[in-house]
Amino acid sequence: QITLKESGPTLVKPTQTLTLTCAFSGFSLTTPAVGVAWIRQPPGKALECLALIYWNDDKRYSPSLKSRLTITKDISKNQVVLTMTNMDPVDTATYYCAHRRVDSGDAYNSFDYWGQGTLVTVSS
Amino acid sequence: DIQLTQSPSTLSASVGDRVTITCRASQYISTWLAWYQQKPGKAPKLLIYDASTLQSGVPSRFSGSASGTEFTLTISSLQPDDFATYSCQQYTSYTWTFGQGTKVEVK
Repeated sequence: QITLKESGPTLVKPTQTLTLTCAFSGFSLTTPAVGVAWIRQPPGKALECLALIYWNDDKRYSPSLKSRLTITKDISKNQVVLTMTNMDPVDTATYYCAHRRVDSGDAYNSFDYWGQGTLVTVSS
Repeated sequence: DIQLTQSPSTLSASVGDRVTITCRASQYISTWLAWYQQKPGKAPKLLIYDASTLQSGVPSRFSGSASGTEFTLTISSLQPDDFATYSCQQYTSYTWTFGQGTKVEVK
């Protein structure tokens, strides 16, 4: 049974760096084709995929946010961590981590398991 | 960037209705499209991937189709549990975009 759960601060100040952790179970990030993504959703708005890390440590980022994002994995802890620098009120959103479907090539990513999400508010 | 445009933004329907939601891509994406259902305060749930493949455990009243750059999600007979927001997602080579969502509400 695959599960994912996000954790991190609920409130950050503008210009601060956000660090979110995704703790998962039911799969391993050492297994070929496995990947975990971070996806966010501002209140009342569309979903936006931020970053994805693969089993082989390949990392892909949203082009518009690439300069602010870093995604890493900790195999021993079964965790994926996302850092986002220079936070702004427009970054207020629910942040999800999600497991990519493994029965497609690495370049083709839809998401079959999601965490419950964590709301991050950016305000001074 | 590949843009996805969903229509309508809101759809009012009754239990038992046949419901169709459209997602149009700004360029050709083959069949690299998924549909998700999302309820308030909950994470999205994958319904369909590769434009027409039903995710395991999803009821067969949900179906997807593709024609060029236009994709359709159909609910053959709307059930009470189906009132939710539906979003499409394209996933061509290492890119991902979601549509803005279609809310299916009670008529």
